[in-house]
Amino acid sequence: GQQLNQSPQSMFIQEGEDVSMNCTSSSIFNTWLWYKQDPGEGPVLLIALYKAGELTSNGRLTAQFGITRKDSFLNISASIPSDVGIYFCAGQRNNDMRFGAGTRLTVKP
Amino acid sequence: DVKVTQSSRYLVKRTGEKVFLECVQDMDHENMFWYRQDPGLGLRLIYFSYDVKMKEKGDIPEGYSVSREKKERFSLILESASTNQTSMYLCASSSSIYGYTFGSGTRLTVV
Repeated sequence: GQQLNQSPQSMFIQEGEDVSMNCTSSSIFNTWLWYKQDPGEGPVLLIALYKAGELTSNGRLTAQFGITRKDSFLNISASIPSDVGIYFCAGQRNNDMRFGAGTRLTVKP
Repeated sequence: DVKVTQSSRYLVKRTGEKVFLECVQDMDHENMFWYRQDPGLGLRLIYFSYDVKMKEKGDIPEGYSVSREKKERFSLILESASTNQTSMYLCASSSSIYGYTFGSGTRLTVV
């Protein structure tokens, strides 16, 4: 099955910098989700988006559901060391969920 | 706090062994899923189940089978483990609206 195209694959940033990652697909999804996976743990849901054009914030995180329903982005502002991990996008259509390959984020203190 | 619990965090098995990975959820979700996660490949769906005793193949079912005898439990079975099945295995459950809740994962090494 088709996975989503997530970029970048990895990022190395300085503490305090802002981060942006995105996800695109050739298919339309009804829901876009962003997960974070800490080392040695399973992914945990950060933000869920249910409407095209929706912009949602969760603390320092902001995500948008693209107007075409084929893309989404996640921004992290003022990064801190505990932001380290792998961020996954996911597109959901009914009971079908597709994941991006993940963006590995490293934050240097 | 809702939970998906995977029975083992780390497993080491020998080639040819039959391996059982267990997953239990306490959210009364109909849907349960098994993924494997490999570097650079993201999450790949092995099998899923929408109801008790029901199973569907995902994208990479070869070498695996599953069992769902009770709503809360979904087991992944490696009939004859091979070294290329060394991976992180993630179980998830969902209702169709709210996305997936994942377990903490089982890191399986086949030697």
